[in-house]
Amino acid sequence: DIQMTQSPSSLSASVGDRVTITCRASQDIRYYLAWYQQKPGKVPKLLIYAASTLQSGVPSRFSGSASGTDFTLTISSLQPEDVATYYCQNYNSAPFTFGGGTKVEIK
Amino acid sequence: QVQLQESGPGLVKPSQTLSLTCTVSGGSVSSGSYYWSWIRQPAGKGLEWIGRIYTSGSTNYNPSLKSRVTISVDTSKNQFSLKLSSVTAADTAVYYCARSEWEPIYWYFDLWGRGTLVTVSS
Repeated sequence: DIQMTQSPSSLSASVGDRVTITCRASQDIRYYLAWYQQKPGKVPKLLIYAASTLQSGVPSRFSGSASGTDFTLTISSLQPEDVATYYCQNYNSAPFTFGGGTKVEIK
Repeated sequence: QVQLQESGPGLVKPSQTLSLTCTVSGGSVSSGSYYWSWIRQPAGKGLEWIGRIYTSGSTNYNPSLKSRVTISVDTSKNQFSLKLSSVTAADTAVYYCARSEWEPIYWYFDLWGRGTLVTVSS
């Protein structure tokens, strides 16, 4: 199975800060990487697919990038409504695997 | 728009079989355009993909659960189902059904059900 290693596991930042979350795949998954946002008690919501394509309706402050097996989710200006846990997901091949999650809080 | 809704017992005894159903509304489970998956999340933990089924009945399972999992589809009821046998407390989780498109480039999950909590306890 492909392992997805996310870092950090949690972070605290101020409103307006630039926030970066990293996900590393244990082998090449091309660009078949998705990011999800899960607010407390809610269902995961697709933010980004194909490493950098923003899902319809997602604010433009969210962006994704890739470099080899390293993937990054960036929030350009953190907002209070962005408090959530973020997960990356490999969908290159089954079994589809998720990162361990990054919990984002407001300082 | 298309919606997914999980249903089934919220409490299952150890060693028994967990059975859940996902009802598709506003669309057809027999559409050749989608895969239908089950994903679970223990309280306070991350997400684990369980397996998926295509309209044709073709399935893929997570090897970690494969010996205990069966996913099936009932096109007459517009539903797909999960059976997980020989459950233990470690299977206690919120279970989600989810959809992905049939082309590999689109195998991410763009639509999720609200989730249902299943507790394994005697």
